[in-house]
Amino acid sequence: EAQVTQNPRYLITVTGKKLTVTCSQNMNHEYMSWYRQDPGLGLRQIYYSMNVEVTDKGDVPEGYKVSRKEKRNFPLILESPSPNQTSLYFCASSLRGGRVSSYEQYFGPGTRLTVT
Amino acid sequence: AQSVAQPEDQVNVAEGNPLTVKCTYSVSGNPYLFWYVQYPNRGLQFLLKYITGDNLVKGSYGFEAEFNKSQTSFHLKKPSALVSDSALYFCAGPLSGGYNKLIFGAGTRLAVHP
Repeated sequence: EAQVTQNPRYLITVTGKKLTVTCSQNMNHEYMSWYRQDPGLGLRQIYYSMNVEVTDKGDVPEGYKVSRKEKRNFPLILESPSPNQTSLYFCASSLRGGRVSSYEQYFGPGTRLTVT
Repeated sequence: AQSVAQPEDQVNVAEGNPLTVKCTYSVSGNPYLFWYVQYPNRGLQFLLKYITGDNLVKGSYGFEAEFNKSQTSFHLKKPSALVSDSALYFCAGPLSGGYNKLIFGAGTRLAVHP
């Protein structure tokens, strides 16, 4: 089954404790992206990747890191989480970046992160 | 500033009645516009898109959307609502100069009552 998977689905952590949220897709997609969803704000893009070893900032990159060492994986790293990073996070992928077709994105199920 | 706006936080409709979820946009260049749906505890799913051509776009699950350039709107519609259509709906469009950045509206919660 074609899908985007994320782990963990739920995470409660404390301020300053480094964490990684994994994202993997099995569709051989070139483009991958991370979003955060907050009430009343819709989805905001954190980082995106056009292909392996090619990443760029989205609208809200502060406090986050990403890497794209393999085509299928795009982990999101919070080096020192803070309470304002409490949110619902989504990973998404699409076939190609840089083209209109890239907007048909496939989303993972989401990771609900709480930072206390 | 470029933006996509959904003026209604929630829309309530009775099952069997037509539904409309509103979206207005302010993007430069040719507007590419999209609708996504989010069911409870799920990720977003692509519904439909407007790229060019016919102003009435048909998508998944019986939904359609009407692009209106003069009103800068892209409203989502369905002739007969189902209880199972209850979900959170997002309108989205790209920032100009980059196909890779999507702007999402704040979302509209659709509640269809039996």
